[in-house]
Amino acid sequence: EEQLLESGGDLAQPGGSLTLSCAASGFSFPLYAITWVRQAPGKGLEWVSTISGTSTDTYYADSVKGRFTTSRDNSKKEVYLQMHNLGAEDTAVYYCAKTQVVAMIVVPYMDVWGRGTTVTVSS
Amino acid sequence: DIVLTQSPATLSLSPGERGTLSCRASQTIKNYLVWYQQKPGQAPRLLIYNASNRAADVPARFSGSGSGTDFTLTISSLDPEDVAIYYCQQRSGWPVTFGGGTKVDLK
Repeated sequence: EEQLLESGGDLAQPGGSLTLSCAASGFSFPLYAITWVRQAPGKGLEWVSTISGTSTDTYYADSVKGRFTTSRDNSKKEVYLQMHNLGAEDTAVYYCAKTQVVAMIVVPYMDVWGRGTTVTVSS
Repeated sequence: DIVLTQSPATLSLSPGERGTLSCRASQTIKNYLVWYQQKPGQAPRLLIYNASNRAADVPARFSGSGSGTDFTLTISSLDPEDVAIYYCQQRSGWPVTFGGGTKVDLK
């Protein structure tokens, strides 16, 4: 069974940092991109970042560019979201999701999702 | 950025009733449109990709159509388990964007 499991969500201080992890199982991890999507309380889905299978390409939403960094370790089948200079607007459930790749090009639709991890930014 | 506008905001249906959800893009996105279902307290689930292709294990009562700027998700006969919020997402270009969602509830 293809699965993703997020971890690392916590209460963070404004201006602080946090790193989320996403552990994958049940599929050929290096062949797929991974996307982070967040959902603020009571709100809709917001795309955050996508990293290609080989880490060659990484994409970010403007709202997090320069503050968040996505990386992956294919030997561990894990993806990481490093978050810096956090603000209240970053409070959300963060999901990681398996993302399609066709002919080595990221095709951003997500067919397997984790259950999410909660980040709360508050003093 | 490509803006996706979903309508209606809320759709109330009786069991067995047909429902039509709309997603309109601010510019043409060919057929690069995806639909997700999110039930309360759960992660989103892929329903439809490339506007009309059902994902694995998605019931046949769900169908997608459209191209260019106007897209539709149709539930042919509502099952109470279909109560959820439905989001469209475009994959035509970066940044990926989502619509605001349509909530489907029971009448």
